[in-house]
Formats: sequence, C-alpha cells, structure tokens
Amino acid sequence: EAGVVQSPRYKIIEKKQPVAFWCNPISGHNTLYWYRQNLGQGPELLIRYENEEAVDDSQLPKDRFSAERLKGVDSTLKIQPAELGDSAVYLCASSQTGNADTQYFGPGTRLTVL
Amino acid sequence: DAKTTQPNSMESNEEEPVHLPCNHSTISGTDYIHWYRQLPSQGPEYVIHGLTSNVNNRMASLAIAEDRKSSTLILHRATLRDAAVYYCILRNPVNTGNQFYFGTGTSLTVIP
Repeated sequence: EAGVVQSPRYKIIEKKQPVAFWCNPISGHNTLYWYRQNLGQGPELLIRYENEEAVDDSQLPKDRFSAERLKGVDSTLKIQPAELGDSAVYLCASSQTGNADTQYFGPGTRLTVL
Repeated sequence: DAKTTQPNSMESNEEEPVHLPCNHSTISGTDYIHWYRQLPSQGPEYVIHGLTSNVNNRMASLAIAEDRKSSTLILHRATLRDAAVYYCILRNPVNTGNQFYFGTGTSLTVIP
C-alpha cells in the first residue's frame, strides 16, 4: 500500500514569491492534515480536512496561507507571498475517519525562503 | 491543553532496552497517551498509544503509571534504526478531536 505522497520534497524560493505544496493521502483516508515543523520543534497543525471540508483551520495564517481539497482526495497548500519566517518543513498526514489515533505522515516538503 | 515533559535527549547502547519517560501531570481523564517517532528526514510515524492499561505491540511497550501522571515508552532491544526523535502526545478526543500537540520530543541516540 502506498503511503502519503508529497511533492516537491524540497523548494527554494525568494521572499514575496508564491509557493504550493501537493499531498496525496493514503487511499480511503478521509481525514487529511497539514502540519508545519520548524527546525528543532515538533509539528504544528495548520489545517484538518474531513473529506473536502476544512473542519479545523484555526491555526492557519489566513492572510497568506490557503488550502484546498476539492474532491476530498488530493490537497494543495499555498503560501502567497512567502516570508522568510515561512522556512520550515510542511508535512501532510492522513487517517481513517474514526481512527485518529494513527496518523500516517508523508516525508514532508522542506521550504527555504531566501 | 494538557502538556507533556520529556528529556531533550537520551543515549542507549545497541541491543539494550531503552526507557523513554514522559511526564503529564495535568492529564485529564479522557486524554489518550500517544507516542510517535520521527526518523531523520522523514515524517513522524505512529508507535503506540494507550489510556490506562499498559500496552504492547510489535514496536514497543507503553507503561502507564497508576495515577496516569507519567508514562514510559519501552524499546526492548534498541537498534541503530531506532535512532529518532520520540514524541509523547496527549490527545483528548472529546475536546480537541483529532488534533495532536507535539512538543519537542526526546532525541534518542543509539550507540553501536
């Protein structure tokens, strides 16, 4: 069974540029999460989807961050414009509905903003 | 949100047992105790979880104190592949649903 797929694995951009990250969750997993992990810290939740509905986006900086999961499968996280402080690893995870105990994480996208 | 406290780092010799402690003195009755680990350059992976009773699986054992204010993740025989950051997390399905609050975890070094 394929795991959570994320692309790109690495991205380097200049500040004020836009950037997008893509995530394909494990087949059949209705719940999808985006996390941000700063260097030396644990992951922090940005947004959680149940199917195509964002049910928890309280930690998403909405002035510059946006996310979508149009068909309830793949998801895209966008930053526009990027700032220096956005440099981090962006992790996508998925879980089966009703089984939030086990979240499956992708390898993440390491973003560097210059 | 109930918080956890873990040592920043620990070392273990290969093929010896490892006991990773976690304090959670403000745990509530509905908080589950989860352990995840993160290998270098990878996303976190599930290790084990429990509520009140000790738990065993193929990866590890979870020992939960009787008052639930602390727990210990036990790796029975450490291997080099166990070198990772281990996160102890409390999840309250009633109040926070699926949300995990990761701390800074314990960085485990396994010495050959």
